[in-house]
Amino acid sequence: AQTVTQSQPEMSVQEAETVTLSCTYDTSESDYYLFWYKQPPSRQMILVIRQEAYKQQNATENRFSVNFQKAAKSFSLKISDSQLGDAAMYFCAYRGNNAGNMLTFGGGTRLMVKP
Amino acid sequence: ETGVTQTPRHLVMGMTNKKSLKCEQHLGHNAMYWYKQSAKKPLELMFVYNFKEQTENNSVPSRFSPECPNSSHLFLHLHTLQPEDSALYLCASSQSGTGVRGYTFGSGTRLTVV
Repeated sequence: AQTVTQSQPEMSVQEAETVTLSCTYDTSESDYYLFWYKQPPSRQMILVIRQEAYKQQNATENRFSVNFQKAAKSFSLKISDSQLGDAAMYFCAYRGNNAGNMLTFGGGTRLMVKP
Repeated sequence: ETGVTQTPRHLVMGMTNKKSLKCEQHLGHNAMYWYKQSAKKPLELMFVYNFKEQTENNSVPSRFSPECPNSSHLFLHLHTLQPEDSALYLCASSQSGTGVRGYTFGSGTRLTVV
């Protein structure tokens, strides 16, 4: 079974600075998808960014980018120019091809942004 | 408007009560999911429905009973719950057969069992 591990329960960053959230996963599959979700206090999980494992190029969405290291099974999220609105829980998720549509989530990292 | 709407937003119920959680999506998706989110634990998948058919029951106790009358609506019927069932219950949807674009989530129902 796939597992997703987020080793940082909490992180903090100064406003306008850059922060990196870590995620590792365990799988025997070669083709899969990875996601980062943000859950603000409003509770709704919002998709931040996705990565297709067969693509070597790291995904980027505005201030959010990933460092995808397939051999190391690592998928970190970098947030540049952090804003107060970035404060939230961040969840890494894995979607393989052998488990239907199902996503497996990590335990989450709480990001605090200091003004 | 998130596209996935969950009601109620908050629910307090006694252990002998029967209540239902509702989820509705207007995205044209045909797969829907229930997740349980407890403090300090990863999200736990409970049920999966594809084209109204249940395709996954992740060893959920029978006091949780899902219902999917059509591809747009999903219910979670609750009866004789335990205090440890208190959690945030999240509904999500996706295009069936893929899910490669991830899920769209609702804002959840915060359930407290007293």
